[in-house]
Amino acid sequence: EAQVTQNPRYLITVTGKKLTVTCSQNMNHEYMSWYRQDPGLGLRQIYYSMNVEVTDKGDVPEGYKVSRKEKRNFPLILESPSPNQTSLYFCASMSSGAALETQYFGPGTRLLVL
Amino acid sequence: SQKIEQNSEALNIQEGKTATLTCNYTNYSPAYLQWYRQDPGRGPVFLLLIRENEKEKRKERLKVTFDTTLKQSLFHITASQPADSATYLCALKMDSSYKLIFGSGTRLLVRP
Repeated sequence: EAQVTQNPRYLITVTGKKLTVTCSQNMNHEYMSWYRQDPGLGLRQIYYSMNVEVTDKGDVPEGYKVSRKEKRNFPLILESPSPNQTSLYFCASMSSGAALETQYFGPGTRLLVL
Repeated sequence: SQKIEQNSEALNIQEGKTATLTCNYTNYSPAYLQWYRQDPGRGPVFLLLIRENEKEKRKERLKVTFDTTLKQSLFHITASQPADSATYLCALKMDSSYKLIFGSGTRLLVRP
């Protein structure tokens, strides 16, 4: 079954404690992306990756890091989380090139930073 | 910078009627525009894509139009059903970038 998985699904942490949210896709997609969703603000893109070792900033990259060492994985790293990073996070993937169309989203990770 | 506007007020309609949702954008025409459905607590699900050189796209009971003069896309659900109740998001991709910009979504409620 084609899918994007994220772990953990729920996370409560404290300010400053480094954390990583993993994302994996089984569709051999080149393009992967991270979003955060906040009430009234919609989905905002954090980082995206066009392929292995190719990443670029979205609209709200501050406070986040990503890496793309393998095609299937795209972890999101918060080196020093702060309360304003409390949000619902989604990972997504899609084919690139001329078929840059259907984006598949993961189930989401709900993060609370105290 | 490019912005997308969707009606933040929920749309409440009777079952069987056509629901029409609006997505307006500022500045330049995007390479394409996508529509997604999102249920509470779940990730968005892709529905339809329409390119800048296309006027209309259909998929079963769904129809999307794209008017680059008005800088607007309309999303229609015909013969709406209570199961269509969800939040609908539009997103656009600019030619010059691989960024995707999302609107904040419009909630649709279909009454039985």
